[in-house]
Amino acid sequence: DTGVSQDPRHKITKRGQNVTFRCDPISEHNRLYWYRQTLGQGPEFLTYFQNEAQLEKSRLLSDRFSAERPKGSFSTLEIQRTEQGDSAMYLCASSPNTESGNTIYFGEGSWLTVV
Amino acid sequence: AQSVTQLGSHVSVSEGALVLLRCNYSSSVPPYLFWYVQYPNQGLQLLLKYTSAATLVKGINGFEAEFKKSETSFHLTKPSAHMSDAAEYFCAVSEAGGFKTIFGAGTRLFVKA
Repeated sequence: DTGVSQDPRHKITKRGQNVTFRCDPISEHNRLYWYRQTLGQGPEFLTYFQNEAQLEKSRLLSDRFSAERPKGSFSTLEIQRTEQGDSAMYLCASSPNTESGNTIYFGEGSWLTVV
Repeated sequence: AQSVTQLGSHVSVSEGALVLLRCNYSSSVPPYLFWYVQYPNQGLQLLLKYTSAATLVKGINGFEAEFKKSETSFHLTKPSAHMSDAAEYFCAVSEAGGFKTIFGAGTRLFVKA
């Protein structure tokens, strides 16, 4: 396994611009998750995919946020019209569907700074 | 609803001393419980997990945790702290049969020489 891969690792953008993050999960992991983490806090759940189906979205995910997993493999998280409050680390994680224990495996995260 | 409370946002120990990081959970069904560690500017790495087998769970780097249902606790311990243990530690809960993992706010561990 090569692990969960996220790109870019760091992004600085001006307020109002759109940004997109990509996540490549561990191969053959059916489940994919996006979390957001701000300084001094634990990861907060944003959304969850089972293969290509987006099964749950948190209320934290405003209409400026959209996530896709078109072929059930990689996923993208797009933030439109960024605001300073969007500055955070965006974590992607994946897990196999059949494993008991719901263990999720995280990527290195994508840092977003909105200036 | 699931929730996790980590007691103490910061814990400081001397090198060689016992590490104890506290976690209490709330879950309406039998939980799966996890401890993750996060080093600066990195993602979270799994330390150990409880899945209803043995109540004392051993993890990587000499850490272990004990599930106590009566106290709804899952405290993390290590007999002897190393400088390399300095990091942020997160307790997390997931419901059996569910998919969502809920994390605590984290405890930052400082290790003094």
